[in-house]
Amino acid sequence: GAVVSQHPSRVICKSGTSVKIECRSLDFQATTMFWYRQFPKQSLMLMATSNEGSKATYEQGVEKDKFLINHASLTLSTLTVTSAHPEDSSFYICSAAYRGEKLFFGSGTQLSVL
Amino acid sequence: KNEVEQSPQNLTAQEGEFITINCSYSVGISALHWLQQHPGGGIVSLFMLSSGKKKHGRLIATINIQEKHSSLHITASHPRDSAVYICAATQTFGNEKLTFGTGTRLTIIP
Repeated sequence: GAVVSQHPSRVICKSGTSVKIECRSLDFQATTMFWYRQFPKQSLMLMATSNEGSKATYEQGVEKDKFLINHASLTLSTLTVTSAHPEDSSFYICSAAYRGEKLFFGSGTQLSVL
Repeated sequence: KNEVEQSPQNLTAQEGEFITINCSYSVGISALHWLQQHPGGGIVSLFMLSSGKKKHGRLIATINIQEKHSSLHITASHPRDSAVYICAATQTFGNEKLTFGTGTRLTIIP
């Protein structure tokens, strides 16, 4: 079945550094992927919609220069958290729609910024 | 008021009990998703509904479009069903952008 792979699963970094998170659709082409963040015991919040070959669409309140999204191919979208700060510490997860039907989610990335 | 609301927020039950989680939404939708999130954070899509009822194993999901309400049922619940269950709505056909409910934390006690 369709699988979405997300790496890394956990990252700890120093404040001021940048972190890249990858989301791959392993056996299907995903023209659109979604990036979410989730704070402890809160629900998922959509950050941006990643469109292959074009600029990402960011939700209100999400800084596009802070959270850089690149969707260079039909199977890969990346989220880069630039100049990370402790308040960026969160759980980040991606998803892709398979044939416009079922959604598949990556396994998530727990980011801790020291 | 959230566009997608779930109840209850927390639910604890004994193994074997029949479980119902409710989801109400206040906007027009093209589909309603039920998701399961385990303690490690991973999310599995359980159902996508636009009408009627779907069943998979011990899980049943129903939706009433007129009442803007959906339910997720678990029959013969088991401790491994313990997770957070999230309903999420897609408002535009062909666009999987989701609006999430706040989730229901289910704990099944052996």
